[in-house]
Amino acid sequence: GAVVSQHPSWVICKSGTSVKIECRSLDFQATTMFWYRQFPKQSLMLMATSNEGSKATYEQGVEKDKFLINHASLTLSTLTVTSAHPEDSSFYICSSPLGGEIGKTQYFGPGTRLLVL
Amino acid sequence: AQKITQTQPGMFVQEKEAVTLDCTYDTSDPSYGLFWYKQPSSGEMIFLIYQGSYDQQNATEGRYSLNFQKARKSANLVISASQLGDSAMYFCAMREGRNNFNKFYFGSGTKLNVKP
Repeated sequence: GAVVSQHPSWVICKSGTSVKIECRSLDFQATTMFWYRQFPKQSLMLMATSNEGSKATYEQGVEKDKFLINHASLTLSTLTVTSAHPEDSSFYICSSPLGGEIGKTQYFGPGTRLLVL
Repeated sequence: AQKITQTQPGMFVQEKEAVTLDCTYDTSDPSYGLFWYKQPSSGEMIFLIYQGSYDQQNATEGRYSLNFQKARKSANLVISASQLGDSAMYFCAMREGRNNFNKFYFGSGTKLNVKP
C-alpha cells in the first residue's frame, strides 16, 4: 500500500514558539492531504484539507492563522503550529487518499505528538 | 446530527472469543463507504475493512467481518477469535459520495481490551 511518513514523531517546545510538522508521501503523488488533531482518548478531528498548489480548506472553528498549512509539492504537505500554547498539545496526523478504484482507504502518517510546555 | 455513532466507549472480551463493535451512521447520500480502523497505543491508524453502500455482501478480511445492515444504517465490526494484540482503539468512519478524495467522518471510538 501507499506510504506516508511524518516528521517529527515527537516534539516538545516552549510556549510561544512555532512548530512545523512535515508529511510526505513516499511512493505516490499526494494531491490532497488531510490534517487531523486527536486529543487523548478522543476521536480524530479534521482540521483542514490541503490540495497541492492551492490554499487549504479549514474546518469550522480551526484558526487558519494559527495552523498554517502548505502543500507546495505533490509529495510534501506541512502544518505549522504558530505561537504554540499548552492547549495545542495533541497528536497530529496527516492522511492522503488515492484516486482510482472506489473504496480505497486514506493512507495515514504515523502521527506527531506535540507537547507544549 | 452525528454522522457516525459508536455507543461503546469500552469493551472487554476474553481471548479466543468473538466480539462485536457497534457503529451506526447517518447520511442521505445513496453512495457512501464505511471503514474500520484500529489504533494501538502507538497512534498509527491501521485500516481493517471497507464496505461500500452498494455492496451486496458483507465485507470480510481475515478475522474481521463487517455486519452491514443498510436499512438500520449499521456497520458493526466483528472480530473473531480475539487475540491479545487486538487490544486497541477501534474507529468507524464514513466517506460520503463516490469520490475517494471526500473527507471522512469518524466515530468516537471503542477501546477494546482482550483478556487472557
